[in-house]
Amino acid sequence: QVQLQESGPGLVKPSETLSLTCTVSGGSINNYYWTWIRQPAGKGLEYIGRISASGPTNYNPSLKSRVTMSVDTSKNQFSLKLSSVTAADTAVYYCAREAGDYALVDWGQGSLVTVSS
Amino acid sequence: EIVLTQSPGTLSLSPGERATLSCRASQSVSSSYLAWYQQKSGQAPRLLIYGASNRATGIPDRFSGGGSGTDFTLTISRLEPEDFAVYYCQQYRTFGGGTKVEIK
Repeated sequence: QVQLQESGPGLVKPSETLSLTCTVSGGSINNYYWTWIRQPAGKGLEYIGRISASGPTNYNPSLKSRVTMSVDTSKNQFSLKLSSVTAADTAVYYCAREAGDYALVDWGQGSLVTVSS
Repeated sequence: EIVLTQSPGTLSLSPGERATLSCRASQSVSSSYLAWYQQKSGQAPRLLIYGASNRATGIPDRFSGGGSGTDFTLTISRLEPEDFAVYYCQQYRTFGGGTKVEIK
């Protein structure tokens, strides 16, 4: 089983860029698709997007203009950048491994990001 | 984008009872991309079912999934105390709003 761990600032100012990194252990990042999901407090899950080590990305159309994902194979990490954040972007952000056909089999514990001045 | 509507919003049942959760898509979708997750308070979601009817590794056989086209179901044959949680369906990039299964 692959383990995932999110890391990054817990507080981001409005209009700035949210940056998170997910470190993968117990397996190579060169396989599979890697995904970001978020969940505002007390609400449901929202798909942000996915990326593979070979580069293809697939972003949620509602966030596409603000999202950038990347993979660092040398560090077995993948990253999320979300620009021009507002309070509506406050959420727990999860990274996850896709087993195939968009099913998310391994998840990180989640990282709370608050957007506030 | 497809919209997934889960019903009911809350299901109040007793341990040992059968739970049937519904996930309806706004248009016909591929069963290959239909998954179900369980989420307990303060935890990350856990994959239960993928491809509409395939149990993920380690998932007890009291959990089963079915359906096709626009209508999918997750059935828990006999509720155990640890099954009381929120359940989400997912199709491609879309999640349903969730069904909370609570103790009656």
